[in-house]
Parts: sequence; structure tokens; C-alpha cells
Amino acid sequence: GDSVTQMEGPVTLSEEAFLTINCTYTATGYPSLFWYVQYPGEGLQLLLKATKADDKGSNKGFEATYRKETTSFHLEKGSVQVSDSAVYFCALSDIDDYKLSFGAGTTVTVRA
Amino acid sequence: DAGVIQSPRHEVTEMGQEVTLRCKPISGHDYLFWYRQTMMRGLELLIYFNNNVPIDDSGMPEDRFSAKMPNASFSTLKIQPSEPRDSAVYFCASSSDRGTSYEQYFGPGTRLTVT
Repeated sequence: GDSVTQMEGPVTLSEEAFLTINCTYTATGYPSLFWYVQYPGEGLQLLLKATKADDKGSNKGFEATYRKETTSFHLEKGSVQVSDSAVYFCALSDIDDYKLSFGAGTTVTVRA
Repeated sequence: DAGVIQSPRHEVTEMGQEVTLRCKPISGHDYLFWYRQTMMRGLELLIYFNNNVPIDDSGMPEDRFSAKMPNASFSTLKIQPSEPRDSAVYFCASSSDRGTSYEQYFGPGTRLTVT
């Protein structure tokens, strides 16, 4: 079945540091890939997405590239801010499947 | 759009009581999902509906849990009787099949505490 594996946290960074969260997936078909972010006390929000190989999703300074050859969708941001402190979830939706398979989530804390 | 609306935002109840959580999906969305989030088990899909019909309820933990969607703009998740291990944050999400990537939009969640 479909599954997502993302790096375990927690991750603690200083402001303006570079952030990478690794995500790899297993899927039977050709999935769409997502990163969701959950700020403290809130629901999950879609951060970015990619629907085909080599697509790059981007939003709020975050980027992730759909790599079919390595079945990966790593999240990156060049200079994090305190406001980026949140839990980040990698997820996939296989073709014609409306369910999302989520990773376990990675807690990121950015210190001033 | 107002987004996905959930009520109540917080619920505290005693063991054995009935609990009803409510969700209003985004207008025009034809898929609705109920999730549970705990520290121990992470984010779990409980059940989802398409056009008000339950499609997959394999994630519903036991018979104490039930979900309904009487119309396109309203769904409930009921726990009867509630137990302390049901304490969690329950999320509702909705999506549309008119796009190609099926992203889901989440509500703010209901934090349930069963004492």
C-alpha cells in the first residue's frame, strides 16, 4: 500500500538557518505529493504540492521537488523565521484515490 | 469562503457520556474526511464520505464511533459512550474531485477531553 516516511524530529534551528525535511514515499501508481503545515493549536494547512515528476512546489519561501527516480519530496527553506515553528507533514494521494497518506510529522522549532 | 467549520472547538465530558462533533465542509466540495490526532498515534483517518455516502470507515476504532452526513453541508461524528482513551483532537477536512491533485482542506479541529 501507499506510505510516506519523513525524517523524525524534533528539529531545532536558529533564525535564518537552512531547513531541510526529508520525505520519501511508496506508491503503487503515480501520486500527487503534498506538504502540510500545522501551527500550534490549529488545523493542517496545505503548504505546497506537486502533481508530476520534476514539478517544484513553492510557497512562503518553502520549496519541494517531485523526484520520481528517488521517490522523494524533500522540503527546503533557505532562511527560516521564528514564525516557521510548526509541525510539517508530507503526504501523498495516489491517482484516483481521494485519501491522503500522511507521514508522522516533523516538529520544527526556530529560535530567535 | 469561510473554510471548513467545526464545532465545538473544545469539549470536556465525563466517561460514559455521548459526544457529538460537527463539521460544515467547504461549499461545493463533495468529499468529507474525519481524522483523529493524538501524540501516540499521530494523524489517523477515521472515515470519509463522497456525495454524502460513507466510502471507507475502516479507520473507525470501534462500534462506539459513528458518523453521518445527512446533506452536503453537514456531518457529525458521534462517540457513545465516550472513554478517556478517546481524548484527542478531531479534524474534519473536505476536498473536491474537480481538480487533479485532490488536496484536502482542514478545519481547526475539536479538542476532546474525556475525564
